[in-house]
Amino acid sequence: EVQLVESGGGLIQPGRSLRLSCAASGFTFDDFAMHWVRQAPGKGLEWVSGISWNSDKIAYADSVKGRFTTSRDNANKSLYLQMESLRAEDTALYYCAKDMEQWLEGGTFAFAIWGQGTLVTASS
Amino acid sequence: SALTQPASVSGSPGQSITISCTGTSSDVGTYNLVSWYQQHPGKAPKLMIYEVNKRPSGVSDRFSGSKSGYTASLTISGLQAEDEADYYCCSYTGYSPLGVFGGGTKLTVL
Repeated sequence: EVQLVESGGGLIQPGRSLRLSCAASGFTFDDFAMHWVRQAPGKGLEWVSGISWNSDKIAYADSVKGRFTTSRDNANKSLYLQMESLRAEDTALYYCAKDMEQWLEGGTFAFAIWGQGTLVTASS
Repeated sequence: SALTQPASVSGSPGQSITISCTGTSSDVGTYNLVSWYQQHPGKAPKLMIYEVNKRPSGVSDRFSGSKSGYTASLTISGLQAEDEADYYCCSYTGYSPLGVFGGGTKLTVL
């Protein structure tokens, strides 16, 4: 079964750091680009970041650029999101999602499989 | 900036509805990389359409996509109660941010 399982969310004070993880199973992880998408409570979806299969291309939303870092470990089939200087507006359910192809650019840019999400709450 | 979707649409069982998704020359107007997602309350989104009009394996053929100019559309024919959900469009942009979602449309099946 193709599966993505996020972890690492929680209640964190603004200004602090948090690292999210996404464990993949049931497919060849290093054949696909991966993404982070978030959803604030009661709000819509926001693309946060994407990474190509070989980490050659990593892209971020303007709202997180310079504060968030995406990485992947293909040997361990894992995706990560390092979040620094968290703000109240970063409060959201964070999903990891599998692309349909290897590349961020020139691919499908479609999120074929989603995890269940991990909730990040930045509040004092 | 976000793609523009109607906040809500509704239809009766068996009818067809269309949800629009309007972008700009920087996203929908240039790239055939528009995808659509269905999200039921408390659940993760599900890919329904990719590359404007392609259906992933397992998605009902009642769902179809199209594009004209700066506007992409999702059509659901033969509405069923289980189609009631939020629907989001997404487009590749080729610049920063690489991807942009619409604000979402709540579909109500009357």
